[in-house]
Amino acid sequence: SAVISQKPSRDICQRGTSLTIQCQVDSQVTMMFWYRQQPGQSLTLIATANQGSEATYESGFVIDKFPISRPNLTFSTLTVSNMSPEDSSIYLCSVDRGSYGYTFGSGTRLTVV
Amino acid sequence: GENVEQHPSTLSVQEGDSAVIKCTYSDSASNYFPWYKQELGKGPQLIIDIRSNVGEKKDQRIAVTLNKTAKHFSLHITETQPEDSAVYFCAASIDTGFQKLVFGTGTRLLVSP
Repeated sequence: SAVISQKPSRDICQRGTSLTIQCQVDSQVTMMFWYRQQPGQSLTLIATANQGSEATYESGFVIDKFPISRPNLTFSTLTVSNMSPEDSSIYLCSVDRGSYGYTFGSGTRLTVV
Repeated sequence: GENVEQHPSTLSVQEGDSAVIKCTYSDSASNYFPWYKQELGKGPQLIIDIRSNVGEKKDQRIAVTLNKTAKHFSLHITETQPEDSAVYFCAASIDTGFQKLVFGTGTRLLVSP
């Protein structure tokens, strides 16, 4: 199955600042997905990122808050902008491996103070 | 949109017992149902999945059953071991060009030696 590397694995950030999370996949994929997992909660899809086009955001998530880049078929970034304590969550990227299902990265644990 | 309910939220069993986790979904068009295991500090890992043209699937100690009429599916773990202790998430999705996963709320399974 795919190997997904996420950086950073964790961070503590000041409110009002921004953090960019990187996701690197070991092979080319068409779509990459970004999820948020709030403390003790389930996973919620933030957006879908296709290479060469703008990301598609789910209801409740906007580009100004969560800008996404997808410069090539193996890499994507998610930025959490103008952070507040409510943004403290685990952020995960994921790729579709077809018959192998979806593979998730190990996540970025963000704490905003 | 799709809504997935998952029960129970916590489940404690003795080593060697069986564990069953149940999920219901709302959208009859959903056709893909994966189960994920998430250990502390890690991203979710796909453990088994089932598609709507199959009623049951088994992989060693793990099995999933699907009842499309009732719109529910279940995860069965037999001969549980302490290393099965984790949070388990079900999900349902519709193929809209890609599988957009909607996750259940998770079940924390504790297997006591």
